[in-house]
Amino acid sequence: AQSVTQLDSQVPVFEEAPVELRCNYSSSVSVYLFWYVQYPNQGLQLLLKYLSGSTLVESINGFEAEFNKSQTSFHLRKPSVHISDTAEYFCAVSDPSAGGYNKLIFGAGTRLAVHP
Amino acid sequence: KAGVTQTPRYLIKTRGQQVTLSCSPISGHRSVSWYQQTPGQGLQFLFEYFSETQRNKGNFPGRFSGRQFSNSRSEMNVSTLELGDSALYLCASSFGRTTGYNEQFFGPGTRLTVL
Repeated sequence: AQSVTQLDSQVPVFEEAPVELRCNYSSSVSVYLFWYVQYPNQGLQLLLKYLSGSTLVESINGFEAEFNKSQTSFHLRKPSVHISDTAEYFCAVSDPSAGGYNKLIFGAGTRLAVHP
Repeated sequence: KAGVTQTPRYLIKTRGQQVTLSCSPISGHRSVSWYQQTPGQGLQFLFEYFSETQRNKGNFPGRFSGRQFSNSRSEMNVSTLELGDSALYLCASSFGRTTGYNEQFFGPGTRLTVL
């Protein structure tokens, strides 16, 4: 069965500093990879996704993630964070080849706390 | 375009009762998936409905069930509530195609508290 590991449950960082949220998944087949963000008392919002092609994917608000097949990783990075980035971030995987078209397997989440 | 709506937003029930949660997908979407989010277990997939049929199922006991109507609205039901069922229940809608990528859009969730 597939699993997703987010290596850090909490990441405190100062405003304007760089940040990396780590994600590893267990699968040897082609999968789709996602990062979702959840603000307090809200649902999940898709931040970015990797489906195929270029291993570096970017979001509109400055986040990027790099797919590394050999290390089965999909780490999320931002060169300079803002207070408004404070939220919980979830890495997720889906395996369409196994019939899991809309079945997302989530990591445990990383709480990013940006301090002034 | 209206987003995914879930009702009610908050619920308080007691052990042994049953509860029904509702999810209205984005117009044109035919797939609705349900997830349970708890501090201990994180986000877990419950099931997915597409065109009124359950297409995918997670590892939850039979107390958790769902259905989908012809207008794609979905309900999930939990019978004989237990304290451990306290959670945020999220639904997500998508077009539900079986090839290629379907972006899922999440609702704000229903917060269920079991006393």
